[in-house]
Amino acid sequence: GAGVSQSPRYKVAKRGQDVALRCDPISGHVSLFWYQQALGQGPEFLTYFQNEAQLDKSGLPSDRFFAERPEGSVSTLKIQRTQQEDSAVYLCASSLAPGLTSPLHFGNGTRLTVT
Amino acid sequence: DAKTTQPPSMDCAEGRAANLPCNHSTISGNEYVYWYRQIHSQGPQYIIHGLKNNETNEMASLIITEDRKSSTLILPHATLRDTAVYYCIVSIYGGATNKLIFGTGTLLAVQP
Repeated sequence: GAGVSQSPRYKVAKRGQDVALRCDPISGHVSLFWYQQALGQGPEFLTYFQNEAQLDKSGLPSDRFFAERPEGSVSTLKIQRTQQEDSAVYLCASSLAPGLTSPLHFGNGTRLTVT
Repeated sequence: DAKTTQPPSMDCAEGRAANLPCNHSTISGNEYVYWYRQIHSQGPQYIIHGLKNNETNEMASLIITEDRKSSTLILPHATLRDTAVYYCIVSIYGGATNKLIFGTGTLLAVQP
Protein backbone atom coordinates (compact mmCIF):
# COMPACT_ATOMS: atom_id res chain seq x y z
CA GLY A 1 0.00 0.00 0.00
CA ALA A 2 0.94 3.66 -0.15
CA GLY A 3 3.46 4.91 2.34
CA VAL A 4 3.84 8.34 3.91
CA SER A 5 3.79 11.00 1.23
CA GLN A 6 5.39 14.41 1.61
CA SER A 7 5.13 17.40 -0.68
CA PRO A 8 6.81 19.24 -2.15
CA ARG A 9 9.92 17.09 -2.42
CA TYR A 10 12.08 20.21 -2.77
CA LYS A 11 11.37 23.78 -1.77
CA VAL A 12 13.49 26.86 -2.29
CA ALA A 13 12.45 29.95 -0.37
CA LYS A 14 13.91 33.39 -0.13
CA ARG A 15 14.75 34.50 3.40
CA GLY A 16 11.69 36.01 5.00
CA GLN A 17 9.15 34.01 3.00
CA ASP A 18 6.60 31.72 4.60
CA VAL A 19 6.49 28.04 3.60
CA ALA A 20 4.04 25.20 4.13
CA LEU A 21 5.08 21.57 4.01
CA ARG A 22 2.50 18.84 3.65
CA CYS A 23 2.42 15.31 5.04
CA ASP A 24 -0.06 12.61 4.01
CA PRO A 25 0.29 9.80 6.54
CA ILE A 26 -0.67 6.20 6.02
CA SER A 27 -4.46 5.91 6.20
CA GLY A 28 -5.70 5.04 9.67
CA HIS A 29 -2.47 5.89 11.45
CA VAL A 30 -3.10 7.55 14.78
CA SER A 31 0.31 9.05 15.42
CA LEU A 32 2.13 11.62 13.34
CA PHE A 33 5.60 13.03 13.93
CA TRP A 34 7.66 15.80 12.37
CA TYR A 35 11.45 15.73 12.39
CA GLN A 36 14.11 18.11 11.09
CA GLN A 37 17.35 16.75 9.67
CA ALA A 38 20.33 18.99 9.04
CA LEU A 39 23.03 17.87 6.64
CA GLY A 40 25.16 15.11 8.14
CA GLN A 41 23.09 14.85 11.30
CA GLY A 42 20.43 12.50 12.58
CA PRO A 43 16.79 13.56 12.54
CA GLU A 44 15.71 15.83 15.39
CA PHE A 45 12.22 15.67 16.85
CA LEU A 46 9.95 18.65 16.27
CA THR A 47 6.40 17.71 17.25
CA TYR A 48 3.97 14.83 17.79
CA PHE A 49 0.24 14.45 17.09
CA GLN A 50 -2.12 11.77 18.33
CA ASN A 51 -5.06 12.07 15.95
CA GLU A 52 -5.77 15.83 15.81
CA ALA A 53 -4.26 16.60 19.21
CA GLN A 54 -0.77 18.04 19.31
CA LEU A 55 0.57 16.34 22.42
CA ASP A 56 4.19 17.38 22.21
CA LYS A 57 5.68 20.41 20.50
CA SER A 58 8.79 20.63 22.61
CA GLY A 59 11.11 20.32 19.61
CA LEU A 60 9.81 23.28 17.62
CA PRO A 61 12.82 25.62 17.51
CA SER A 62 10.92 28.91 17.63
CA ASP A 63 7.47 30.42 17.41
CA ARG A 64 8.01 30.75 13.66
CA PHE A 65 7.31 27.04 13.41
CA PHE A 66 3.71 25.87 13.56
CA ALA A 67 2.18 22.46 12.85
CA GLU A 68 -1.40 21.35 12.54
CA ARG A 69 -3.42 18.22 11.85
CA PRO A 70 -6.99 19.49 11.98
CA GLU A 71 -8.86 16.34 10.97
CA GLY A 72 -6.44 13.80 12.34
CA SER A 73 -5.01 12.81 8.97
CA VAL A 74 -3.08 15.24 6.74
CA SER A 75 -0.64 17.49 8.56
CA THR A 76 1.01 20.75 7.59
CA LEU A 77 4.22 22.20 8.99
CA LYS A 78 4.40 25.94 8.48
CA ILE A 79 7.50 28.04 8.85
CA GLN A 80 7.06 31.80 8.92
CA ARG A 81 9.71 34.33 7.94
CA THR A 82 12.19 31.63 6.93
CA GLN A 83 15.84 32.05 7.82
CA GLN A 84 18.94 30.36 6.45
CA GLU A 85 19.30 28.15 9.49
CA ASP A 86 15.91 26.61 8.63
CA SER A 87 17.51 24.92 5.63
CA ALA A 88 17.16 21.19 6.26
CA VAL A 89 15.20 18.11 5.31
CA TYR A 90 11.84 17.96 7.07
CA LEU A 91 10.65 14.41 7.69
CA CYS A 92 7.18 13.24 8.55
CA ALA A 93 6.42 9.86 10.10
CA SER A 94 3.21 8.09 11.03
CA SER A 95 2.45 5.03 13.10
CA LEU A 96 -0.59 2.88 13.66
CA ALA A 97 -0.77 3.13 17.44
CA PRO A 98 -0.15 5.91 19.97
CA GLY A 99 3.38 6.95 20.78
CA LEU A 100 6.12 4.44 20.11
CA THR A 101 4.03 1.30 20.50
CA SER A 102 4.23 0.55 16.79
CA PRO A 103 6.97 1.21 14.23
CA LEU A 104 7.27 4.65 12.69
CA HIS A 105 6.91 4.88 8.92
CA PHE A 106 8.81 7.83 7.48
CA GLY A 107 8.27 9.73 4.28
CA ASN A 108 11.22 10.73 2.10
CA GLY A 109 11.08 14.30 3.36
CA THR A 110 10.96 17.81 1.99
CA ARG A 111 14.32 19.42 1.38
CA LEU A 112 14.01 23.13 2.23
CA THR A 113 16.67 25.52 1.04
CA VAL A 114 16.48 29.11 2.23
CA THR A 115 18.49 31.55 0.12
CA ASP B 1 21.01 14.18 23.79
CA ALA B 2 21.23 10.67 22.37
CA LYS B 3 21.73 7.99 25.01
CA THR B 4 23.64 5.64 22.73
CA THR B 5 27.18 5.39 21.40
CA GLN B 6 27.87 3.91 17.97
CA PRO B 7 30.99 3.78 15.78
CA PRO B 8 30.76 6.43 13.06
CA SER B 9 31.44 4.01 10.22
CA MET B 10 31.95 0.34 9.37
CA ASP B 11 32.68 -1.71 6.26
CA CYS B 12 31.30 -5.12 5.42
CA ALA B 13 31.85 -7.44 2.47
CA GLU B 14 28.82 -8.31 0.40
CA GLY B 15 27.33 -11.65 1.46
CA ARG B 16 28.94 -11.57 4.90
CA ALA B 17 27.22 -10.83 8.18
CA ALA B 18 27.26 -7.21 9.32
CA ASN B 19 27.46 -6.78 13.10
CA LEU B 20 26.68 -3.25 14.26
CA PRO B 21 27.44 -2.50 17.92
CA CYS B 22 25.69 -0.02 20.18
CA ASN B 23 26.46 1.01 23.76
CA HIS B 24 23.65 2.23 25.98
CA SER B 25 25.11 2.00 29.47
CA THR B 26 22.54 4.34 31.06
CA ILE B 27 19.49 2.49 29.76
CA SER B 28 16.69 2.26 32.29
CA GLY B 29 14.49 -0.74 32.99
CA ASN B 30 11.52 0.39 30.92
CA GLU B 31 13.46 1.58 27.88
CA TYR B 32 13.50 -0.38 24.67
CA VAL B 33 16.29 -0.55 22.10
CA TYR B 34 15.17 0.45 18.59
CA TRP B 35 17.09 0.22 15.34
CA TYR B 36 16.30 2.27 12.26
CA ARG B 37 18.30 2.78 9.11
CA GLN B 38 18.41 5.55 6.55
CA ILE B 39 19.40 4.97 2.96
CA HIS B 40 20.68 8.04 1.14
CA SER B 41 17.93 10.53 0.23
CA GLN B 42 15.23 8.48 1.92
CA GLY B 43 13.49 8.67 5.27
CA PRO B 44 14.51 6.34 8.11
CA GLN B 45 13.20 2.77 7.97
CA TYR B 46 12.27 0.69 11.01
CA ILE B 47 14.33 -2.48 11.43
CA ILE B 48 13.69 -4.06 14.83
CA HIS B 49 13.26 -3.33 18.52
CA GLY B 50 13.59 -5.24 21.80
CA LEU B 51 13.58 -4.97 25.58
CA LYS B 52 15.83 -7.68 26.94
CA ASN B 53 15.35 -10.83 24.90
CA ASN B 54 17.03 -11.38 21.58
CA GLU B 55 14.75 -10.62 18.66
CA THR B 56 14.74 -11.72 15.03
CA ASN B 57 12.65 -10.70 12.06
CA GLU B 58 12.95 -10.93 8.30
CA MET B 59 15.44 -8.06 8.18
CA ALA B 60 17.79 -8.61 11.09
CA SER B 61 18.56 -10.00 14.52
CA LEU B 62 18.99 -7.97 17.69
CA ILE B 63 21.22 -9.30 20.44
CA ILE B 64 20.96 -7.48 23.79
CA THR B 65 23.48 -8.27 26.54
CA GLU B 66 22.18 -9.61 29.82
CA ASP B 67 22.97 -6.36 31.65
CA ARG B 68 21.29 -4.47 28.76
CA LYS B 69 24.17 -2.00 28.55
CA SER B 70 24.91 -2.85 24.94
CA SER B 71 23.40 -4.51 21.90
CA THR B 72 24.34 -5.70 18.42
CA LEU B 73 22.31 -5.54 15.25
CA ILE B 74 23.10 -8.39 12.89
CA LEU B 75 22.35 -8.35 9.17
CA PRO B 76 23.01 -11.99 8.32
CA HIS B 77 23.89 -11.63 4.62
CA ALA B 78 24.65 -8.03 3.76
CA THR B 79 23.90 -6.78 0.25
CA LEU B 80 24.87 -3.55 -1.49
CA ARG B 81 21.34 -2.27 -0.77
CA ASP B 82 22.08 -2.46 2.95
CA THR B 83 24.51 0.46 2.64
CA ALA B 84 22.94 3.06 4.93
CA VAL B 85 23.25 4.94 8.20
CA TYR B 86 22.07 2.72 11.06
CA TYR B 87 20.64 4.37 14.17
CA CYS B 88 20.45 2.71 17.58
CA ILE B 89 17.93 4.47 19.84
CA VAL B 90 16.71 3.83 23.36
CA SER B 91 13.31 5.07 24.41
CA ILE B 92 10.34 4.29 26.54
CA TYR B 93 7.86 2.10 24.65
CA GLY B 94 4.71 3.86 25.78
CA GLY B 95 3.78 6.45 28.31
CA ALA B 96 4.41 10.16 28.10
CA THR B 97 7.54 10.00 25.96
CA ASN B 98 6.56 9.97 22.31
CA LYS B 99 9.79 10.70 20.56
CA LEU B 100 12.74 8.84 19.17
CA ILE B 101 15.99 10.69 19.78
CA PHE B 102 18.37 9.90 16.94
CA GLY B 103 22.11 10.26 17.26
CA THR B 104 24.49 10.36 14.30
CA GLY B 105 24.43 6.60 13.74
CA THR B 106 26.84 4.23 12.00
CA LEU B 107 27.44 4.51 8.28
CA LEU B 108 27.62 0.93 7.03
CA ALA B 109 29.30 0.58 3.66
CA VAL B 110 28.79 -2.82 2.04
CA GLN B 111 31.61 -3.51 -0.37
CA PRO B 112 31.27 -5.71 -3.48
